[in-house]
Amino acid sequence: DTEVTQTPKHLVMGMTNKKSLKCEQHMGHRAMYWYKQKAKKPPELMFVYSYEKLSINESVPSRFSPECPNSSLLNLHLHALQPEDSALYLCASSQDRRAQETQYFGPGTRLLVL
Amino acid sequence: SQQGEEDPQALSIQEGENATMNCSYKTSINNLQWYRQNSGRGLVHLILIRSNEREKHSGRLRVTLDTSKKSSSLLITASRAADTASYFCATDGAGGSYIPTFGRGTSLIVHP
Repeated sequence: DTEVTQTPKHLVMGMTNKKSLKCEQHMGHRAMYWYKQKAKKPPELMFVYSYEKLSINESVPSRFSPECPNSSLLNLHLHALQPEDSALYLCASSQDRRAQETQYFGPGTRLLVL
Repeated sequence: SQQGEEDPQALSIQEGENATMNCSYKTSINNLQWYRQNSGRGLVHLILIRSNEREKHSGRLRVTLDTSKKSSSLLITASRAADTASYFCATDGAGGSYIPTFGRGTSLIVHP
């Protein structure tokens, strides 16, 4: 099974809402990633978890809060977002964070902030 | 910050033709990977080339890497309409950072 799943597929939220994005993989991968992608732009790395510990935070605003409850799950908690946060949010996993490791991506959650 | 810069940004060809995309990067790397993304979907890994490799093939794909010029190319031979997608190169950070960084991408349209 080389699948990374993400839920929900689409999300519309107001600026005062709290919502969560979920990501799951059952490949035994120990590194998991959150990316943000705006239209016609490349994915931008937000967070990296390695062995369930946050190892990289690319200066992401605190209104985005990641969580890794176990080695298979990755959440992204959203609170007080701005309209400019509307984007495709991609989750990925890899065997670990070493070089030479392929990342497997989920289909993404398309987020619209009103 | 972006590491890779793809060229061209957009490419439009007829089915059966070859498509070549280039990627340039700025810092040293351990490896370079190419990904494909269909409109609004997740990325699919195509091929990984290590810094000590010069060329790699996978089916209709051929990737080259020139570390002296800090550049890579992806060639898709005998293109098909189903190859229509955006293609991104991604580099890791040498020196232990392993921060994956994507280039701006090439949008390929293959006309049937």
